[in-house]
Amino acid sequence: EVQLVESGGGLVQPGGSLRLSCAASGFTFSNYEMNWVRQAPGKGLEGISYISSSGNTIYYADSVKGRFTISRDNAKNSLYLQMSSLRAEDTAIYYCARGGYSGYVSFGYWGQGTLVTVSS
Amino acid sequence: EIVLTQSPGTLSLSPGERATLSCSASQTISSSNLAWYQQKPGQAPRLLIFGASTRATGIPDRFSGSGSGTDFTLTISRLEPEDLAVYYCQQCGKSPGTFGQGTKVEIK
Repeated sequence: EVQLVESGGGLVQPGGSLRLSCAASGFTFSNYEMNWVRQAPGKGLEGISYISSSGNTIYYADSVKGRFTISRDNAKNSLYLQMSSLRAEDTAIYYCARGGYSGYVSFGYWGQGTLVTVSS
Repeated sequence: EIVLTQSPGTLSLSPGERATLSCSASQTISSSNLAWYQQKPGQAPRLLIFGASTRATGIPDRFSGSGSGTDFTLTISRLEPEDLAVYYCQQCGKSPGTFGQGTKVEIK
């Protein structure tokens, strides 16, 4: 069974940093692209970062470019999101999602999310 | 950036009725890169439809997707009470992908 479990969320002050983790199991992690998607309270979904299976290709949404860094450790079956210079508008539930479903790029599996609150 | 616009914002229907949800893209999207997700209250999103028209594993056949180019549709043929949710379309061809703003389906 595919499982994605996020951790590392919490309360952080504006300008602070936080590192999110996503532990993957039930599939060969190194074969799949991974993504971070966030959802502000009461709002819709926003795709914020993508990393290829090898880690060689990375993309960011403009809203987080230069502040967030995505990475992965295929030996540890883990995905990470290093967040810095955090702002109030970064407050959201952060989901990791696996790309690649039946040969398509859709996000077939999602974690349960971890809440990040940026507030003084 | 590809912008996806979903309509209507909210759909209020009775059980057994047909729901038609629309997703319009600001530029042409390959059908293989269009997906639909369902998000029930308090839950993570779940993949419903990929490749514009193929149901994901375990998705009931009352859900169907169609469309091409810039206009796509998710249809729920006979609404069930458990279909109460927000539905999002997504283009996943240009990473990290963009989502529509969502259509909320309410059950009368």
